[in-house]
Amino acid sequence: DSGVTQTPKHLITATGQRVTLRCSPRSGDLSVYWYQQSLDQGLQFLIQYYNGEERAKGNILERFSAQQFPDLHSELNLSSLELGDSALYFCASSVSGPSSYEQYFGPGTRLTVT
Amino acid sequence: GENVEQHPSTLSVQEGDSAVIKCTYSDSASNYFPWYKQELGKRPQLIIDIRSNVGEKKDQRIAVTLNKTAKHFSLHITETQPEDSAVYFCAAIPDTGRRALTFGSGTRLQVQP
Repeated sequence: DSGVTQTPKHLITATGQRVTLRCSPRSGDLSVYWYQQSLDQGLQFLIQYYNGEERAKGNILERFSAQQFPDLHSELNLSSLELGDSALYFCASSVSGPSSYEQYFGPGTRLTVT
Repeated sequence: GENVEQHPSTLSVQEGDSAVIKCTYSDSASNYFPWYKQELGKRPQLIIDIRSNVGEKKDQRIAVTLNKTAKHFSLHITETQPEDSAVYFCAAIPDTGRRALTFGSGTRLQVQP
């Protein structure tokens, strides 16, 4: 167990809908990262938050957005869902100090868009 | 941006043999190289990592080597066991404020009993 929690574990929804994925980082970790894992694209970085502020963006679609709350949990919002958005969504957390790079992953949310 | 290539995509070994997975990276500023193990349907699990100021690191049966000049790093697993069967991902982080991992495409390791 990494100490990172994600809910829900599974999500099945229809095209055009909107969903929210939730992540709680390890105690003491200030950074949260979101990654998407699909069969054809592998593991891809979406977005990073550090202590409530957006720090970096990767290959995140405009239909997707995220935020990190004062208690450091994070939510990833996916809207106008398409079949191709079906994937495993992982969040990871890290301390993000000057010499701290290790990222620990949560169990993931499996999103199926039908 | 960073690009990480990983080989081979699949690897089958006999129990007790060694396994080697290789990765190359493009960004010479990268300075942190972790390896993750992912079992089917599970989270990627950090198994070992190496910083750019170190050439080799060992942890029991696993080791990682780094050649900064050639921009490649490798994972070595000795005395493989069936429970080592999984997908292994290498990754890199450049030494910038952005700490996002760039992953290789993964290697499916199968250890035959």
